[in-house]
Amino acid sequence: EAGVAQSPRYKIIEKRQSVAFWCNPISGHATLYWYQQILGQGPKLLIQFQNNGVVDDSQLPKDRFSAERLKGVDSTLKIQPAKLEDSAVYLCASRYSRADTQYFGPGTRLTVL
Amino acid sequence: AQSVTQLDSQVPVFEEAPVELRCNYSSSVSVYLFWYVQYPNQGLQLLLKYLSGSTLVKGINGFEAEFNKSQTSFHLRKPSVHISDTAEYFCAVSTSGTYKYIFGTGTRLKVLA
Repeated sequence: EAGVAQSPRYKIIEKRQSVAFWCNPISGHATLYWYQQILGQGPKLLIQFQNNGVVDDSQLPKDRFSAERLKGVDSTLKIQPAKLEDSAVYLCASRYSRADTQYFGPGTRLTVL
Repeated sequence: AQSVTQLDSQVPVFEEAPVELRCNYSSSVSVYLFWYVQYPNQGLQLLLKYLSGSTLVKGINGFEAEFNKSQTSFHLRKPSVHISDTAEYFCAVSTSGTYKYIFGTGTRLKVLA
């Protein structure tokens, strides 16, 4: 089966610009996650969706980050405006609703200059 | 709240030697435990997981891990490593119902020829 797809793979922007990332989860996976992985650290959960509803966004910097999951399938994560400290890899993962394992996409590497 | 500690940030080891990557967790409730591997510029791939039952868990690529409840540990082992095992390894913990992962900071395994 196809894995989790993410695009773009790489993005370089200037600070204060906006950027958006896209994720297409594995077909049939109701739960979708966005993680931020800063260099040298483990992934940190930003937001969790169950179908198209938000389950947990407690660590999402809501003044600049937003995410949506329309129709319970694809998801977009947006940063507006970006700061230097947002430079990181943004990982998307999905999980079948009655299973325990999360499957990760290849990530988007964001560099903010 | 759960937390994960990976004490070793880097582990160098010669090819064909055994290796152990350490993971300790803290939690007041029953946990699920996972090991993921991340190759350069790629997402995370599941190596193995512990949900319940046998405390010795076997995974892909010849890796295994042992769940030790009294020591709150889930160390990853491989009896003989290959150059291709060079990667970053992450331990993660979650609890039933939330399926929210908490990741450790990762251990960089470098296999030397």
